[in-house]
Amino acid sequence: DQQVKQNSPSLSVQEGRISILNCDYTNSMFDYFLWYKKYPAEGPTFLISISSIKDKNEDGRFTVFLNKSAKHLSLHIVPSQPGDSAVYFCAASVGSGNTGKLIFGQGTTLQVKP
Amino acid sequence: NAGVTQTPKFQVLKTGQSMTLQCAQDMNHNSMYWYRQDPGMGLRLIYYSASEGTTDKGEVPNGYNVSRLNKREFSLRLESAAPSQTSVYFCAIFLAGSIEQFFGPGTRLTVL
Repeated sequence: DQQVKQNSPSLSVQEGRISILNCDYTNSMFDYFLWYKKYPAEGPTFLISISSIKDKNEDGRFTVFLNKSAKHLSLHIVPSQPGDSAVYFCAASVGSGNTGKLIFGQGTTLQVKP
Repeated sequence: NAGVTQTPKFQVLKTGQSMTLQCAQDMNHNSMYWYRQDPGMGLRLIYYSASEGTTDKGEVPNGYNVSRLNKREFSLRLESAAPSQTSVYFCAIFLAGSIEQFFGPGTRLTVL
């Protein structure tokens, strides 16, 4: 059973507009949520995270929202730029601290058109 | 991806062949991880090592073995490769004091 789901395999937006990437989870015990960005032929790179005790975290153009009652999080990118075109993975932390184990969603490919 | 190196970058195997994927880190972190990435499946944890000399199974450990002989290196071995093991393999380290993992550049493996 997939504990972290990204139901949209792809998303296409125009440069300058908002990109919204969504993620759903099933385990209410997750304590942190993270977003990773991946370019082709490279490893994933950490983008932004949010603690389960918060509902919003902002870093420049990137904002993550967490709705615990709906078990849903989203990543907003404003304004979107062509360099943001990549695969985005959401991940949830299982028992943070010593092990740092992460469970990843399937990924959403974002294309930002000039 | 400075700090985590993976070798080789590409490999083609025939069914039944064996090979070892190498991962090394120079960031002196305890926890290391092996993931595989497949289209539509995201990244799935194969094995992890919380510290030197310890290893634990992840979500998809079948067909793999790992070895953590020292703090710096964590290897993943395929004893008898199968086409289902065609994937991109990533090694990662856990940055203690934060909640993120730092990934290597990956190894693209094809099993024919």
